Formats: sequence, structure tokens, C-alpha cells
Amino acid sequence: EDQVTQSPEALRLQEGESSSLNCSYTVSGLRGLFWYRQDPGKGPEFLFTLYSAGEEKEKERLKATLTKKESFLHITAPKPEDSATYLCAVQAVDTGFQKLVFGTGTRLLVSP
Amino acid sequence: DTAVSQTPKYLVTQMGNDKSIKCEQNLGHDTMYWYKQDSKKFLKIMFSYNNKELIINETVPNRFSPKSPDKAHLNLHINSLELGDSAVYFCASSQAGGDTGELFFGEGSRLTVL
Repeated sequence: EDQVTQSPEALRLQEGESSSLNCSYTVSGLRGLFWYRQDPGKGPEFLFTLYSAGEEKEKERLKATLTKKESFLHITAPKPEDSATYLCAVQAVDTGFQKLVFGTGTRLLVSP
Repeated sequence: DTAVSQTPKYLVTQMGNDKSIKCEQNLGHDTMYWYKQDSKKFLKIMFSYNNKELIINETVPNRFSPKSPDKAHLNLHINSLELGDSAVYFCASSQAGGDTGELFFGEGSRLTVL
């Protein structure tokens, strides 16, 4: 069964203190790995898609990387507005296009 | 103009009742989904429809019945509600079957069963 494990569950940073979130996955064949951001009381918002090991994507202070077993979301010099839950999801080749399997997320709090 | 809208945002009801949640998307997408997020924030797919055709049914109890009258709408009807049905239900849509992984989610419908 496809599985996604995210760590840490929660992370508290000071503004400007860079860090990384981890997403470990087990999947029969990876079609894609995705990062989403979820604010309290809102639906998840898409951030990145990564397809193959070695791939990197960047958006403002966020950079996502992918290896064969895990993905990292690096947050450089975070600001309070980066506070949110970050969700990782995988899509397996053999389950077809439409099924994403999500992890339980990392709750990030950035203090001023 | 909201891309994926769900109504109602909150439902509070008694065990055994029946309730419906409606979803509409104005993005022109062919594929729509229902996801359930439990109290531990675990987000799990329930159903997926592509152009009104059911594609994914993730071993959801048959008390849950999705209906897609057209590709812009996907509704969820739940019969005989149980305590364990309490969760946030998210509707989402995507282009091209979602192979880019880019799903557009609604704001969620929080269901509380007493």
C-alpha cells in the first residue's frame, strides 16, 4: 500500500530561521510527488509537482527536492505568513492519474 | 469569483439523519473529487469523477452516494449519519485527470454528527 510519512509533525521557527520539512514515501512506482499548503479553515493549495529523483522546484522562499525515497521542502528565511500546514502527496503509476495519497502534514509556525 | 465552491460550510446534525453537500467548479475542469479530512488532518480520497463518470470509489460505505449531474457539479449525499462521519469534506477539481497533481480544492464542509 502506498504510504506517505511527514516529519516533524510540528515545527516552530523564528522569522528568518531556515529549516527543512521531510516527506518519506513508499509507492510501487512513482508518477509524481506533490506539495500543498493548507491554511486553517481552508482547502489545500497546490505548490509543486516533482516527477523524478534529482528534480528541484522553487517558489519564493520555498524549494522542493526529490530523491528516490523522500522529498524535502526547504524554507529559507521564513516569514510569519509562511505559517501553515504543509502536505505532501504521491501519485502512483499503477493507481491511475487521479488518486493522490497524502501525508498528515507538518504544521509550521513562524514567529516574528 | 470562487473557483471551487462548496455548500454548506458547516453542518451540525444528529446521528441517523441524511445530509447533502454540494460542489461546483467554474474552472472548466473535467475531473472532480471528494476528499475526507479527519480530526488528525489526514486527507483521504473518497471518490473521483471524470466527465460525470465515476472513476475512483475508495471503499467508502454505501451510505455515501456521490452524484455528478454535469462536469461542473459534484454532490455528496450521506445517509444514516454516524459519529465517525464527523470530518471536513473537501471537493476538488483538476484538468486532464489530475496527472500534474494540481488539484484545486474548495474551502471544505465541516460535518459534525452528534
